[in-house]
Amino acid sequence: DTGVSQDPRHKITKRGQNVTFRCDPISEHNRLYWYRQTLGQGPEFLTYFQNEAQLEKSRLLSDRFSAERPKGSFSTLEIQRTEQGDSAMYLCASSSRGERAFFGQGTRLTVV
Amino acid sequence: GEDVEQSLFLSVREGDSSVINCTYTDSSSTYLYWYKQEPGAGLQLLTYIFSNMDMKQDQRLTVLLNKKDKHLSLRIADTQTGDSAIYFCAPFRDAGNMLTFGGGTRLMVKP
Repeated sequence: DTGVSQDPRHKITKRGQNVTFRCDPISEHNRLYWYRQTLGQGPEFLTYFQNEAQLEKSRLLSDRFSAERPKGSFSTLEIQRTEQGDSAMYLCASSSRGERAFFGQGTRLTVV
Repeated sequence: GEDVEQSLFLSVREGDSSVINCTYTDSSSTYLYWYKQEPGAGLQLLTYIFSNMDMKQDQRLTVLLNKKDKHLSLRIADTQTGDSAIYFCAPFRDAGNMLTFGGGTRLMVKP
């Protein structure tokens, strides 16, 4: 097992475009988390899945953001009509229960 | 919600011990984690402690938990230049099923 995998590692997009990121969790982990990290800050929680069910969603997650985990395995995070303020590192993590959440390397989004 | 506070910066000499401190507000956290982040990289899980423990030692790392004061610390013995990174304290909130992160402490190790 290679750990949590995120794709792409870097994404540059023009303002107003849609982007989608993918996260492949550790295979036996049923919990999956998305976080956002801006420069100089700690990660902020965005959303949480247990299997395919999205159980928690932060108020930070505007209507332009949507996340899915259709079969309880990989997850996608889509941002529609990107804005410059969306520029950040998007981190995915997985765990088997509440303990020991392992993070991927992140997807760095730059909106120009 | 949970608030997690850490000092911004710590500088030590190679071979010395480093102590990184963290205070938090949610006393219901069942696990409390320490993560390490190197520039441009994701977060590496270093260690964690259950809320019913006072101390956990893992090789060069010692975690101390004072539940009464809601204070967590990470001690790194014999600090090496490779330990230079940002360290995040992250209590796990059962309510909401999430890790809440502090702003991180940047550790600089001078040779």
